[in-house]
Amino acid sequence: GDSVTQMEGPVTLSEEAFLTINCTYTATGYPSLFWYVQYPGEGLQLLLKATKADDKGSNKGFEATYRKETTSFHLEKGSVQVSDSAVYFCALNKGNFNKFYFGSGTKLNVKP
Amino acid sequence: GAGVSQTPSNKVTEKGKYVELRCDPISGHTALYWYRQSLGQGPEFLIYFQGTGAADDSGLPNDRFFAVRPEGSVSTLKIQRTERGDSAVYLCASSFLAGASYNEQFFGPGTRLTVL
Repeated sequence: GDSVTQMEGPVTLSEEAFLTINCTYTATGYPSLFWYVQYPGEGLQLLLKATKADDKGSNKGFEATYRKETTSFHLEKGSVQVSDSAVYFCALNKGNFNKFYFGSGTKLNVKP
Repeated sequence: GAGVSQTPSNKVTEKGKYVELRCDPISGHTALYWYRQSLGQGPEFLIYFQGTGAADDSGLPNDRFFAVRPEGSVSTLKIQRTERGDSAVYLCASSFLAGASYNEQFFGPGTRLTVL
């Protein structure tokens, strides 16, 4: 079945460090891929998305490229801030966008 | 504007009891989704409504779980004979239109259910 696997956390970085959170997926057909973020005490928010192979999603300095050949959608940011501390979820959706398959989440801690 | 709201924010109940969890979607959103998030896991799809009807309930774990959306707006997730394994955060999301590439789902803050 369809599924998403992402790297386990927590990931602890110093401010201004480079961030990579790995995400790979298993799906038939042509899924769309997403990153959601959950800040402490808040609900899930869409961070970025890519709807077809080789698309790059970007938002707030975060980027992820849909790689069909490696079935990956790794999240990157060149310089993290303390305010980026949150849990990040990779997710996929197919066809009519009616449900998501989420990864287990990666907690990011950024220290000043 | 107002986002998705869920009540109660926390619910503690005893094993075997019945509970209802409520979701108020963003006004005008036709699609509504329920997910369950267990500790340390990502959200798991339960059921999806388009309007008043359940378009996909394939994620409901068993017949103790049921959800309704009688007027196409507010939805209630109902759990009968609760078990300790039902303890989780129940998330609700809504979107303007399903089946479109711009269909962003907006999530509520969740209801944390604890079954003692």
